[in-house]
Amino acid sequence: SYELAQPLSVSVALGQTARITCGGSNIGYHNVHWYQQKPGQAPVLVIYRDTKRPSGIPERFSGSNSGNTATLTISRAQAGDEADYYCQMWDSTTVVFGGGTKLTVL
Amino acid sequence: EVQLVESGGGLVKPGGSLGLSCAASGFTFSPYTMHWVRQAPGKGLEWVSSISSSSSYIYYGDSVKGRFTISRDNAKNSLYLQMNSLRAEDTAVYYCARQTEAFDIWGQGTMVTVSS
Repeated sequence: SYELAQPLSVSVALGQTARITCGGSNIGYHNVHWYQQKPGQAPVLVIYRDTKRPSGIPERFSGSNSGNTATLTISRAQAGDEADYYCQMWDSTTVVFGGGTKLTVL
Repeated sequence: EVQLVESGGGLVKPGGSLGLSCAASGFTFSPYTMHWVRQAPGKGLEWVSSISSSSSYIYYGDSVKGRFTISRDNAKNSLYLQMNSLRAEDTAVYYCARQTEAFDIWGQGTMVTVSS
């Protein structure tokens, strides 16, 4: 079965740019989606189809996907961006989530 | 307001059964494929099951196949998950989620604890 690899944690200084990666074999051929989850809350979709932002998601959130790595980029990081982030894709008829990355804003 | 509200969680003994429900409101439920996703305490997201709009296509994750059954009632705007032969490792928050290109709407989750 397909696996998505994410770093356990990423740290970023306030106001700087955070990049969270999601690795998988030829992941660039798949659509990748990203979710933000804050403690005690349900996940929220922040990027879909590699680069698209749902309405209400700040432009500071962007995505890319090529080769074996998809990346979620958060520009001008804010304290409120501290959360767990999960990548997700479809593998045929099943759903695959990455293990999640905890983003810390310093 | 577009929302999904899960219910039915609780404490159950190993080997027992439990049924979850997810009530949809604020949108037309019937055209959407729906999913259950769970999250064990302190762990990541795990996909559980999906059901297509007319219930024609149903899929399960390997860890629940043969024990869980997903269903829906479009007339009642509701999604269900019947969980049998529950194990300690099924302890988790269970979310229902709507699928468009991704999971664009999630419920708040309902906690299932399997313990003697």
